Amino acid sequence: AQSVTQPDIHITVSEGASLELRCNYSYGATPYLFWYVQSPGQGLQLLLKYFSGDTLVQGIKGFEAEFKRSQSSFNLRKPSVHWSDAAEYFCAVGGSSGTYKYIFGTGTRLKVLA
Amino acid sequence: DAGVIQSPRHEVTEMGQEVTLRCKPISGHNSLFWYRQTMMRGLELLIYFNNNVPIDDSGMPEDRFSAKMPNASFSTLKIQPSEPRDSAVYFCASSLRQVRNQPQHFGDGTRLSIL
Repeated sequence: AQSVTQPDIHITVSEGASLELRCNYSYGATPYLFWYVQSPGQGLQLLLKYFSGDTLVQGIKGFEAEFKRSQSSFNLRKPSVHWSDAAEYFCAVGGSSGTYKYIFGTGTRLKVLA
Repeated sequence: DAGVIQSPRHEVTEMGQEVTLRCKPISGHNSLFWYRQTMMRGLELLIYFNNNVPIDDSGMPEDRFSAKMPNASFSTLKIQPSEPRDSAVYFCASSLRQVRNQPQHFGDGTRLSIL
C-alpha cells in the first residue's frame, strides 16, 4: 500500500541549530516527492520537490532534502534554523504516471526556541 | 502572479445550513483538488478534477458533500445539510497536469465551523 510516514509529530530545536525532519514512504512506482510547509492560518507552501536526477535537492528558505531509494526516505534538512521556520511540515508522495493524487504524511510540528 | 484564491476565509454557521466554499485556481492550471484538514485525520483528498471533469471523488465523505467545476476558473464545494463534524479547514489546490513536474499549489483555505 502507498503511504508516507513522518515519525516525529513534534520537534523542538534552538534557533541556529541544525534541523532534520524525517520522511519515509512506501510507493510501488517511481515516486515524486515533495515537502510543504504550513504556517498557522495559511495554506501549504511548496519547499522543494524531487522527481529524478541529483538526489540532493535544494529548496526555498535554505532547506534541502536528500532522496535515498535504499532507505525509502526523503528527509528534510536545514543547517541553521531561524525562529520564522516554526511551522508544520508535510512530506508528500505523488504518482509518476497516470495519477496526480498526493499522499501526505501526518506532519511534523516544529517549535523553535529563542 | 495570483495564487489559488479561496473564499470565504472563515465561515461559521449553524447545523443544517447549506455551506458553499469557493475556489479560483491558478490561471492555466487544469487540475483542481479539494482537501479537508482536521486534527484527527490530517489532510484528506476529497475530490480531484481534470479539465473541469471530476476524476476521483472517492474521498467525498457522504452524499451531503458535492463539488462542481463549471469552468476552468471556478469550483465550488457544497455541504448540505452541514453537521458539526464537518468543521475543518478546507483547502483547494491546483496544478498543471500535462507537465508532470508541476506540483500542487494550495490556497490559504476556508476555516469552517458548524455550530
